[in-house]
Amino acid sequence: EAAVTQSPRNKVAVTGGKVTLSCNQTNNHNNMYWYRQDTGHGLRLIHYSYGAGSTEKGDIPDGYKASRPSQENFSLILELATPSQTSVYFCASGEGTINTLYFGAGTRLSVL
Amino acid sequence: AQSVTQPDARVTVSEGASLQLRCKYSYSGTPYLFWYVQYPRQGLQLLLKYYSGDPVVQGVNGFEAEFSKSNSSFHLRKASVHWSDSAVYFCVFGSGTYQRFGTGTKLQVVP
Repeated sequence: EAAVTQSPRNKVAVTGGKVTLSCNQTNNHNNMYWYRQDTGHGLRLIHYSYGAGSTEKGDIPDGYKASRPSQENFSLILELATPSQTSVYFCASGEGTINTLYFGAGTRLSVL
Repeated sequence: AQSVTQPDARVTVSEGASLQLRCKYSYSGTPYLFWYVQYPRQGLQLLLKYYSGDPVVQGVNGFEAEFSKSNSSFHLRKASVHWSDSAVYFCVFGSGTYQRFGTGTKLQVVP
């Protein structure tokens, strides 16, 4: 069954540390996305990718980097984590903006 | 700017009652619109989507939504809710680049 898998599911990080969130999809979709979910804000797009080797900035990219080394994998990198980046992060894959997005189960990140 | 607004952060309804969750969009053309649902401690799943054609679209689990260009709305409806419908519902706008999410409405179904 096609799926989007995120790891880790939970992460506690220290301020100033480096955090990498990973996402793997078996949907063979070209597009992949990283969103964060915060109360009162819904889901906000951080970075997205149209395919291997490409990354694009979303609405809130500051403090985040992304990497798409292959069709299947898309990582979100926090080089210097801050408490304001405490959130739940979702990865999704899809084919274009008019088609269904398929979401992973989320990663709960706490930066202390 | 192209966006969607969900004016109700929380909605409580009795089991068996009808439901309407409101969504207003801001866009001059005909938008791509979606409703997604997030059950507790899970990712999001598509309920239904609209681009053109019949303004009433059917989704999964008895949900439907009606597109209104005159009112710039895409409200979600269900005739009779069940306790398992308790979840967060997101109205989503699909632009030329990516999908933008509303702030969500948390639905609580009570006995």
